[in-house]
Amino acid sequence: GQNIDQPTEMTATEGAIVQINCTYQTSGFNGLFWYQQHAGEAPTFLSYNVLDGLEEKGRFSSFLSRSKGYSYLLLKELQMKDSASYLCATMDSNYQLIWGAGTKLIIKP
Amino acid sequence: NAGVTQTPKFRVLKTGQSMTLLCAQDMNHEYMYWYRQDPGMGLRLIHYSVGEGTTAKGEVPDGYNVSRLKKQNFLLGLESAAPSQTSVYFCASSSGTEDTGELFFGEGSRLTVL
Repeated sequence: GQNIDQPTEMTATEGAIVQINCTYQTSGFNGLFWYQQHAGEAPTFLSYNVLDGLEEKGRFSSFLSRSKGYSYLLLKELQMKDSASYLCATMDSNYQLIWGAGTKLIIKP
Repeated sequence: NAGVTQTPKFRVLKTGQSMTLLCAQDMNHEYMYWYRQDPGMGLRLIHYSVGEGTTAKGEVPDGYNVSRLKKQNFLLGLESAAPSQTSVYFCASSSGTEDTGELFFGEGSRLTVL
């Protein structure tokens, strides 16, 4: 079957670093995506990994290990505006996205 | 640049009523999608289209129909609304290239079925 797991909620402090994990089991694999979704808004694209390793983009980095079915999103120098849900999604063999339920990140001052 | 626009943004229906959600994109994207998002669950694909005149079923197609008569528009219809269809509906589009699959989402349409 197809399954994506990520923590339901995490809390972190402004200025700190937080790592949001995602594990997956999908039929076929054509990449892993992270999206950010602020409450009441649409998801917006953050990152895409198809090869193992770390992709860095400013304060955000995303890591992938295909052999372990594992990814994480690393957020550095947290800001209050980073309070949002972070959605992990994989692209399966039919090039369709399979979505996790999302991790709600709460940033405290 | 408008991107992806959904109308209406809010709607309340009674059980058994019908309605249509309209999605329009101005990015010349080939692929368009309709998702629903419910609390505690991931986005679930209802129907999608890989080009003008084509449609295909997603994960949860029952109770919905779609049409893609023009490349820029993707319509989602509910023929006989049920309370289980209370949800937030998102339309998305993408270029369809396999290297990124980045989706561009509309702002969402909140539907309540009483």
